[in-house]
Formats: sequence, C-alpha cells, structure tokens
Amino acid sequence: DAGVTQSPTHLIKTRGQQVTLRCSPKSGHDTVSWYQQALGQGPQFIFQYYEEEERQRGNFPDRFSGHQFPNYSSELNVNALLLGDSALYLCASSLAPRAEQFFGPGTRLTVL
Amino acid sequence: QKEVEQDPGPLSVPEGAIVSLNCTYSNSAFQYFMWYRQYSRKGPELLMYTYSSGNKEDGRFTAQVDKSSKYISLFIRDSQPSDSATYLCAFLTGRRALTFGSGTRLQVQP
Repeated sequence: DAGVTQSPTHLIKTRGQQVTLRCSPKSGHDTVSWYQQALGQGPQFIFQYYEEEERQRGNFPDRFSGHQFPNYSSELNVNALLLGDSALYLCASSLAPRAEQFFGPGTRLTVL
Repeated sequence: QKEVEQDPGPLSVPEGAIVSLNCTYSNSAFQYFMWYRQYSRKGPELLMYTYSSGNKEDGRFTAQVDKSSKYISLFIRDSQPSDSATYLCAFLTGRRALTFGSGTRLQVQP
C-alpha cells in the first residue's frame, strides 16, 4: 500500500518565478493538506482540500494557491517566488472525518 | 504568547535512558493531541495521538495529556540510537488544521 507521494523531491528556482508541487494521497484518503516547514521550525499550515474545494486556509498570501483533482491528488502553486519561500513543502493526507494526518517525504524548494 | 511552546533541545541521552519530551499550549480549542517523529530530511511520521486527558501507551512510547494544565508529554522507555530524531508535538482543532511545536531534537548515544 503506497503512502503519500510527492514530486519533485528537490527544486531550485529564482526569485519571481512560479512553481508547482504535486501530491498523491495515501490510498483510500480523500483529504489533502499542505504545510511549509522552514529550517529548524515546525510545519506551518497552508491550506486543506476536500471534495476539490479549499476547506480551510492558514496565514499565507494569495501567491499560494492549490487544486485538488477528482482522484484526490493535489497541486500547490506558488507565484512570484521570494527568497523566504525556500522551505520543505509537506503534503499530508487523511480520510474525513478522522483526525490522523499522514505526511509525504516533502519537496525541498530553494529560491535563489 | 505563542500557541505552542516546545523546548528545541538538543537533548542528548545515553542508550537505554527514559526520555521525556514536553509541550505546553494556550489554545483551549485544541481537541486532538499528537506526536510526530521526523528524521533528517524526511516527512513527519505520526507516532501517537489522543483526544482525552490521561495516558496512552504504545510499546516503548507513552503519551500523556493534562488538559487542565494545557501540557502534553511523550515518554520513550529504553531509548535506542534509532530514536534519534526531531520530535514534534501537534494539535488539532475541529477544523482539521494541525498546529505544530517547533520540535525537540533528540540524540541517543550508543
């Protein structure tokens, strides 16, 4: 049974560019949440998708947007990249309404 | 005041020691209390979760919640070098967004 998968593993971009990160949830899960983890910090909640709708959003600007597809996979898009967007981006999946969230390995984004 | 306070460590213990990891929180709306383990350059792995005050045991791990004091703990018995990782406490409200502590880095010396 495959767990949560994310692609790509690593990404290097320059300021002002746009990036798309992808996530496939654990088999049978229907909810995807995205988190940003800066070095030495705990993950910070970006937003959550359920039934292809953004259900909840954290304190992140509109440059961060997402999408969920009918097969429950999800994308995170970040526009106009800033140096401060360099972080590990984590996807977590869950099965509504259960509380447990299971994380993927993350995508490490470096903005130069 | 931050919603969650967690000592960043690092915490260094000898193999076989009992480890105590702690977090305090201020948000009374938190309903679920979780502990994640994160190895370097990996995603967090869910270790334990509970929704009530008291103790919950799973093998060498015991999670303890005191809602009246807004304090949670994770105890690791007979610690092993493979337990060396960063431990994150996490809290969930009914709206399903996890709020994490900053993590405690644990090093178990052989």
